[in-house]
Amino acid sequence: DGGITQSPKYLFRKEGQNVTLSCEQNLNHDAMYWYRQDPGQGLRLIYYSQIVNDFQKGDIAEGYSVSREKKESFPLTVTSAQKNPTAFYLCASRLDRAQPQHFGDGTRLSIL
Amino acid sequence: RKEVEQDPGPFNVPEGATVAFNCTYSNSASQSFFWYRQDCRKEPKLLMSVYSSGNEDGRFTAQLNRASQYISLLIRDSKLSDSATYLCVVTAGGYNKLIFGAGTRLAVHP
Repeated sequence: DGGITQSPKYLFRKEGQNVTLSCEQNLNHDAMYWYRQDPGQGLRLIYYSQIVNDFQKGDIAEGYSVSREKKESFPLTVTSAQKNPTAFYLCASRLDRAQPQHFGDGTRLSIL
Repeated sequence: RKEVEQDPGPFNVPEGATVAFNCTYSNSASQSFFWYRQDCRKEPKLLMSVYSSGNEDGRFTAQLNRASQYISLLIRDSKLSDSATYLCVVTAGGYNKLIFGAGTRLAVHP
């Protein structure tokens, strides 16, 4: 089955720790995205990548980093510089600009 | 002004009712429009794309008004399973950015 897989489903971060959220897709999509959703709020764009080895900052990139070494994979690292990391993190991909985005089922990150 | 604005609701309607949501967007250069559905603590799922001429998918009808910069979603014969948050999504001026509204919550009751 084609789709987007995010792992883990739940993640806990200790103070001062970096954590990495995984996102893998087998849809052969060029573009991939990371969003953050806080309770009662809309999705906010963290980073996006249009093609392998290229990525751009979104609206709230501070405290986050990404890499895009393979087409299928777009991991997100939440660094210790991100002071309020508790949120629902969603990865998405799409084929081209005319197409809608498809989402993975998300990772819930909390602080211990 | 937010780039995409939606009434947060909740809209509480009985089964069988017809309900409509509107969404306004600020970027006149937006080219693509979508409605997504998000269930509680789940990821958004595409409900339908919105085309210039309007389009229908079963009980759902989407309309686009470019002059007034708003899109709408009409749900006929509401079902209990329609209870969810509906997200309005438009493209930003750049190539690959989508802007999500905060969503309108619908609660359908027996």
